[in-house]
Amino acid sequence: QKEVEQNSGPLSVPEGAIASLNCTYSDRGSQSFFWYRQYSGKSPELIMFIYSNGDKEDGRFTAQLNKASQYVSLLIRDSQPSDSATYLCAVNAGNNRKLIWGLGTSLAVNP
Amino acid sequence: DTAVSQTPKYLVTQMGNDKSIKCEQNLGHDTMYWYKQDSKKFLKIMFSYNNKELIINETVPNRFSPKSPDKAHLNLHINSLELGDSAVYFCASGTLSYEQYFGPGTRLTVT
Repeated sequence: QKEVEQNSGPLSVPEGAIASLNCTYSDRGSQSFFWYRQYSGKSPELIMFIYSNGDKEDGRFTAQLNKASQYVSLLIRDSQPSDSATYLCAVNAGNNRKLIWGLGTSLAVNP
Repeated sequence: DTAVSQTPKYLVTQMGNDKSIKCEQNLGHDTMYWYKQDSKKFLKIMFSYNNKELIINETVPNRFSPKSPDKAHLNLHINSLELGDSAVYFCASGTLSYEQYFGPGTRLTVT
């Protein structure tokens, strides 16, 4: 059974701090890794994707991938109250266009 | 010019009824998906079509029947609705590199 695991949280950080969200996956054959943000009552929104080992930066967001250790993380610098949401990690499963989803980590950024 | 749209946004109906949800995407993607997100917030894949061909068919009651008239449209018909069908149903559109873009969701309440 292919799995993606995330700490459900809630993760609470003060405004301006770095929020670190982690995700581990079981399928060593996975090649594509995604972070989605979901506000309460809204749909998931793709915020980062990463395909290669190392770091990928986009504004205040950095995705980090370590295939040897089978984990992917998301760092949010200078966290803002507007970053308070659930963050979903998703990993491709084989080549049939299917993603395996984590349960999400709830992030609360306190003013 | 919404990328992925769904109708209706809210659906309240009684047990035993039949209902449909419609989805359209203007992103030019070949792949579309139906997801169910229940009260525990887990995002569960139900179906996926690629160029009108069913490619993912998860363990879903056969009361649920998807239909894709063309690659820009994916509909979901549900027969004999049950209380347990109450959830938010998301349509998504996907790229060759597994990125998925979600519609706003349809909140189904069965009474």
